[in-house]
Amino acid sequence: KAGVTQTPRYLIKTRGQQVTLSCSPISGHRSVSWYQQTPGQGLQFLFEYFSETQRNKGNFPGRFSGRQFSNSRSEMNVSTLELGDSALYLCASSLIPQGATEAFFGQGTRLTVV
Amino acid sequence: KQEVTQIPAALSVPEGENLVLNCSFTDSAIYNLQWFRQDPGKGLTSLLLIQSSQREQTSGRLNASLDKSSGRSTLYIAASQPGDSATYLCAVGPDTGRRALTFGSGTRLQVQP
Repeated sequence: KAGVTQTPRYLIKTRGQQVTLSCSPISGHRSVSWYQQTPGQGLQFLFEYFSETQRNKGNFPGRFSGRQFSNSRSEMNVSTLELGDSALYLCASSLIPQGATEAFFGQGTRLTVV
Repeated sequence: KQEVTQIPAALSVPEGENLVLNCSFTDSAIYNLQWFRQDPGKGLTSLLLIQSSQREQTSGRLNASLDKSSGRSTLYIAASQPGDSATYLCAVGPDTGRRALTFGSGTRLQVQP
């Protein structure tokens, strides 16, 4: 079966712009979580959506937001981009809320802010 | 607050060697522990999931053990191959099952041909 699909794979944006990333989970999975990965901070949790509702949120500013659609696809939006937002953004898909079952990750979106 | 530590941070071994990667966590109230592999610039590939009630899981040349009471897990790789070169991450799921995974910083493994 198809895995977790993230689009686009690469993005280059300018400071101050906004960006939207997309994640399509494994068919049948209702939980989508987002993580930011940087060399200095490692993997940091952004937020989790389950059945179109945000369940948990990490310690990120309000510039980071997300949503989930009825087909479980999720989007993440970052407004007013800063240089420090350059990172690999990963989404994880799981059958039920994350932490309780196996999580499957996509290939990530590499965001570069210049 | 859960903290996950992985030692060593980097490891280089000759092909064919058996090796052990370590993961420790501060809060033993976990639901499960998952080992992942990450190739440079790529996403995470799930290797093994151990539920808190289990002691170990095996998949091919990989064996992961869990000692919840001591807050430790090990990933054993038998007969290592150059294709095993990657970063290995462990992540713990809290016992409420309602929170995100907490990741270690990973062990970067290089297997020399």
